[in-house]
Amino acid sequence: GAGVSQSPSNKVTEKGKDVELRCDPISGHTALYWYRQSLGQGLEFLIYFQGNSAPDKSGLPSDRFSAERTGGSVSTLTIQRTQQEDSAVYLCASSTYQNTEAFFGQGTRLTVV
Amino acid sequence: DQQVKQNSPSLSVQEGRISILNCDYTNSMFDYFLWYKKYPAEGPTFLISISSIKDKNEDGRFTVFLNKSAKHLSLHIVPSQPGDSAVYFCAASGGSGNTGKLIFGQGTTLQVKP
Repeated sequence: GAGVSQSPSNKVTEKGKDVELRCDPISGHTALYWYRQSLGQGLEFLIYFQGNSAPDKSGLPSDRFSAERTGGSVSTLTIQRTQQEDSAVYLCASSTYQNTEAFFGQGTRLTVV
Repeated sequence: DQQVKQNSPSLSVQEGRISILNCDYTNSMFDYFLWYKKYPAEGPTFLISISSIKDKNEDGRFTVFLNKSAKHLSLHIVPSQPGDSAVYFCAASGGSGNTGKLIFGQGTTLQVKP
């Protein structure tokens, strides 16, 4: 596809369950970012990938959060034992390299009930 | 510690007038700045960027100004149109130890009234 694709677009899960969110970046983009936006808040940085490695994981809120990227392409953000405060829109973005504009996907709206 | 701040949560302007959105940052090592626009239920869309070696960048109705000494940037939209109504985020990157991640402000909701 031409843009960043995220799936699912919406996810409702029960507290305590694990969830996986997927991001397909723009082909050829080496940099990939995960952000989240909680209700009424700005964009909170979670993790940054350059290729398959993650030089910056400083934004992951707890050890329940993890992410991986394989083949320099698709990335998966996993949240274990979800809590209600994890409810947010999770956004993925990709760019050709750092210090260039990043292109965002439409986001995954996660609701933990 | 909020390194990028948008102190105005909302702004309302009349169609045809100028919209000025402001952004302040604290890290003097930032060297690349961007503005994004976000509609409800959509991801942010890149609008315009500026490198720290410049103080102005223009693209159609959108102009970004950078004042490095004041650590301040602004986005001017002239003339404003109702379709510009959205949330606008400024973002910054660069500097020692920066890995390339974009640090965003909290956003400003712009409403352009017909």
